Amino acid sequence: EDKVVQSPLSLVVHEGDTVTLNCSYEVTNFRSLLWYKQEKKAPTFLFMLTSSGIEKKSGRLSSILDKKELFSILNITATQTGDSAVYLCAVHSGVGGNKLVFGAGTILRVKS
Amino acid sequence: NAGVTQTPKFRVLKTGQSMTLLCAQDMNHEYMYWYRQDPGMGLRLIHYSVGEGTTAKGEVPDGYNVSRLKKQNFLLGLESAAPSQTSVYFCASSQTRDRVEHFGDGTRLSIL
Repeated sequence: EDKVVQSPLSLVVHEGDTVTLNCSYEVTNFRSLLWYKQEKKAPTFLFMLTSSGIEKKSGRLSSILDKKELFSILNITATQTGDSAVYLCAVHSGVGGNKLVFGAGTILRVKS
Repeated sequence: NAGVTQTPKFRVLKTGQSMTLLCAQDMNHEYMYWYRQDPGMGLRLIHYSVGEGTTAKGEVPDGYNVSRLKKQNFLLGLESAAPSQTSVYFCASSQTRDRVEHFGDGTRLSIL
């Protein structure tokens, strides 16, 4: 059974801290791994990773994939209160068509 | 520039009632999806469609039906609502199967 596990489940940091969120997976026919940020409503797409070792970066956020060890990390540097959200990791499995398996998410709270 | 629009935003049903959730996208996307999000469980795929007139089962399809008569619309039906279907329902669309970027704001459904 396909599985995506995120850790930690939640964390609280202070503004300016750097955080690392983890996502490990076990899926058949891995195609890609995606990160989303979810505030009150719709998940917002952050990154899609398909190749090991290539960092994707957008401002203070970056992510990297390790296909050998089956995990990805999402880093946020110089955190701000606006980074408070649930961060979702999802893995796309090619078996059976269109299966995007989500982790339960990491709840991040940034205190001022 | 609406993106993905879901209606209604909130609904309370009694056990056994039926209803239809509507998802509309204005981006001419081929792929559309219905997910449910429950606390601690991430998003789970209910049904999806790879084009007008096509539908397929996802991870948790029981108790739901879908239709995609027009490319821009994807309907999710509950034939006989049960309390276990209390959840937040998200619709999403994408142009490619790998990159699900666009989500609606969700429908919060409570079944008493």
